Amino acid sequence: GAVVSQHPSWVICKSGTSVKIECRSLDFQATTMFWYRQFPKQSLMLMATSNEGSKATYEQGVEKDKFLINHASLTLSTLTVTSAHPEDSSFYICSASGTSLGNEQFFGPGTRLTVL
Amino acid sequence: GENVEQHPSTLSVQEGDSAVIKCTYSDSASNYFPWYKQELGKRPQLIIDIRSNVGEKKDQRIAVTLNKTAKHFSLHITETQPEDSAVYFCAASRGGNEKLTFGTGTRLTIIP
Repeated sequence: GAVVSQHPSWVICKSGTSVKIECRSLDFQATTMFWYRQFPKQSLMLMATSNEGSKATYEQGVEKDKFLINHASLTLSTLTVTSAHPEDSSFYICSASGTSLGNEQFFGPGTRLTVL
Repeated sequence: GENVEQHPSTLSVQEGDSAVIKCTYSDSASNYFPWYKQELGKRPQLIIDIRSNVGEKKDQRIAVTLNKTAKHFSLHITETQPEDSAVYFCAASRGGNEKLTFGTGTRLTIIP
C-alpha cells in the first residue's frame, strides 16, 4: 500500500514552454502533497506544500507564478513549470501523506525535466 | 525554520565494517526523524525512522539513535554490504503532515 505515481517520468521541452507534472496517490487519500526539486548531487529542496482544496504554501525563494501547483482532489496534485528555462532543468519529486498513515511521506518516482 | 546538517558528505567503508552518519537539527519542536536511501535517478526510500519519544530503534543491520537534548541523531549500518552503497539523507519534521527538512546527504561507498 501507500503508492505514489508521477507522470511523466521524464520530459524534454524547449525554452519558453510550459510543462505539467502529475502526482497521484494510488491507494490512499493524500491530504497533503509536497513538491521537491533535486539538482545533481544535491539534496531534496522543498518547493511547496499543498493541501487538498486550498492554495499551496511556497518555500522562500520559490516563484509561485512560475511553479503552479494544483491539488484538486485527495489523489492528484499537479505542478506546472511555466515558461521553462534551462536553469529549471532538474529532478522533480512529489510526496504525499495521509492522516491515516502517520508521519511518513510516500515519494513518487520523480520526473526528470530537461529544458533545451 | 528548521536547519538540518549532515556529516560526512562522503564515506567509504570496507565491506563488513560499520558506517555511521550523523545529523543535527535546530528546531526543538521537531519530533520525527526519518532516514532515506537514494540510488541514482530513483526516489528516496525510507529505511528507518524514529520519533522523539524513543532514544534508539533498530531494524536488522540498521539502527538510529536520537539525542533530543543535543538535537542530534545518527544512522548506524553494521556488517555493510556492496548493495548498501548509495546516498543517504536524514530529515526532520514536526510530525503529522508537516514538511520534511532534509540534510545535505552522505554518499556511502562500500569497498568490496
